[in-house]
Amino acid sequence: EAQVTQNPRYLITVTGKKLTVTCSQNMNHEYMSWYRQDPGLGLRQIYYSMNVEVTDKGDVPEGYKVSRKEKRNFPLILESPSPNQTSLYFCASSPGKGEQFFGPGTRLTVL
Amino acid sequence: AQKVTQAQTEISVVEKEDVTLDCVYETRDTTYYLFWYKQPPSGELVFLIRRNSFDEQNEISGRYSWNFQKSTSSFNFTITASQVVDSAVYFCAMRSSGTYKYIFGTGTRLKVLA
Repeated sequence: EAQVTQNPRYLITVTGKKLTVTCSQNMNHEYMSWYRQDPGLGLRQIYYSMNVEVTDKGDVPEGYKVSRKEKRNFPLILESPSPNQTSLYFCASSPGKGEQFFGPGTRLTVL
Repeated sequence: AQKVTQAQTEISVVEKEDVTLDCVYETRDTTYYLFWYKQPPSGELVFLIRRNSFDEQNEISGRYSWNFQKSTSSFNFTITASQVVDSAVYFCAMRSSGTYKYIFGTGTRLKVLA
């Protein structure tokens, strides 16, 4: 089944404790992206990647890191999480011009 | 700067009513793509449609239709004869050609009451 998977789906952590949210797609898509969704703000793009080793900043990259060492994986790294990074995170992939396929979301709480 | 505005935060309608969700965008680019996504209460994001900036033809898919007007920078979405299953948050989004930087609107929550 074609899909985008994210892990974990739920995470509660404390300020400053490094964490990684994994994202994997099995559709051989070149493009992948990370978003955060906050009430009243919609979806905001954090980082995106157009191919292996090619990444670029979205609208809200501060406090996040990404890497794209393999085509299928695009992990999101929070080196020192803060409470303002509490949010719902979505990973997405796309073959190109068309639709993005979204993962199920990761709900992160930073205490 | 690019921007997508969904001025309607929440809309409530009674089942079988028609409803239009507004989307206004700003861009200086001549080639761009517009999208609509649906987020039902279960939380997943579902693609509905993509439109290229050079194709102003309106599109109909069952009870859904989209009206793209470059003159007013709008890409509105109409649901005809709404159903309870249409209850969701709907997002309008834009991407310029040559980049994968997406701009989403803040979403419109649609409640369809039985």
